[in-house]
Amino acid sequence: QQQVKQSPQSLIVQKGGISIINCAYENTAFDYFPWYQQFPGKGPALLIAIRPDVSEKKEGRFTISFNKSAKQFSLHIMDSQPGDSATYFCAAADVIIQGGKLIFGQGTELSVKP
Amino acid sequence: NAGVMQNPRHLVRRRGQEARLRCSPMKGHSHVYWYRQLPEEGLKFMVYLQKENIIDESGMPKERFSAEFPKEGPSILRIQQVVRGDSAAYFCASSLNPETEAFFGQGTRLTVV
Repeated sequence: QQQVKQSPQSLIVQKGGISIINCAYENTAFDYFPWYQQFPGKGPALLIAIRPDVSEKKEGRFTISFNKSAKQFSLHIMDSQPGDSATYFCAAADVIIQGGKLIFGQGTELSVKP
Repeated sequence: NAGVMQNPRHLVRRRGQEARLRCSPMKGHSHVYWYRQLPEEGLKFMVYLQKENIIDESGMPKERFSAEFPKEGPSILRIQQVVRGDSAAYFCASSLNPETEAFFGQGTRLTVV
């Protein structure tokens, strides 16, 4: 119930293309869904986050789509650039009950080819 | 405004030794979280602390691992009698309160030889 499943494990996209990463969860108590970006040797950095009262959130080239009934959410990276090559993690938290404890997906290694 | 500071960045310990990992949260942050990242895997929650209190330690191994966040000074993750399987990157994150964004440090990469 605490799991967050992320796919694909790896993704190769051409420069200028759209990168799409998907996550699914079971715990309906989750009320906070962030996406983190991690470069090799660095800590994760928050990209964008959404709460279940909205179905979509956009910040620059990054968009989260959220489907509460399907218990799925996804990250879309528009106009993907080589500098976007990194590992992306989705996460979920039940903030009301468990505070800021994050349950992470397994990660997606994105490679954007020039 | 300095970010979350973790030290050391790299730590090598022989089997059976103790490892102490330090985390100084961002200024004003009183909520600290520790996560472990094994090679080629995602981050796994270990423990959630608020000043002087352990709020949730459901992800901590039952033996050899302990964490504290004293009133003064950094949060410490302590691993006693390390084994090879403890080799991993350990990340600390801090937040102002449970509802706000958690900022991560650069991590401590522990290697047990």
